[in-house]
Amino acid sequence: SQKIEQNSEALNIQEGKTATLTCNYTNYSPAYLQWYRQDPGRGPVFLLLIRENEKEKRKERLKVTFDTTLKQSLFHITASQPADSATYLCAFDMRFGAGTRLTVKP
Amino acid sequence: NAGVMQNPRHLVRRRGQEARLRCSPMKGHSHVYWYRQLPEEGLKFMVYLQKENIIDESGMPKERFSAEFPKEGPSILRIQQVVRGDSAAYFCASSLTSSEQYFGPGTRLTVT
Repeated sequence: SQKIEQNSEALNIQEGKTATLTCNYTNYSPAYLQWYRQDPGRGPVFLLLIRENEKEKRKERLKVTFDTTLKQSLFHITASQPADSATYLCAFDMRFGAGTRLTVKP
Repeated sequence: NAGVMQNPRHLVRRRGQEARLRCSPMKGHSHVYWYRQLPEEGLKFMVYLQKENIIDESGMPKERFSAEFPKEGPSILRIQQVVRGDSAAYFCASSLTSSEQYFGPGTRLTVT
């Protein structure tokens, strides 16, 4: 069956460092992947969409890559700040990963 | 431009009662999705609708659950004869095309 997996449940990093989150998928060839941010008690917020023919996409301090050979997407937050602390979800179609809870310590 | 609206934000029902959750998509959006999220768990897809049509209900339990998105008015997720296991946060999302989704604040259902 089609699966989407985020490798880490939680990631703790120091302010100013780059956070890298991983999303892997199996038994599927999505035309695009999406990343969302979810804060406690709130709905997810759309961040970035990357299509299969795009290797990389950037938005301010965010960068997403999409490797269809490895069946993997990486999500980077550069110069991380405590305000970046949240759960980050990857998704294709209506399937969401379980999320990675990022904590940025000052 | 108002975002996706859901009401009520909190709903308490006794076992056996019916729960009705409403979702008004963003203006101009004709695609609506419903998800369920248990505490400390990911989003589970339930159903995808376009105006007056159910496109994909593969995540919807076969019994007690139904969804609609009428020509006029909000989308409704209906849960009949609720049980304690239905307690969860239910999120609605809408999209212009079938790509990035914009989520509402969710309805937190508690079954006592």
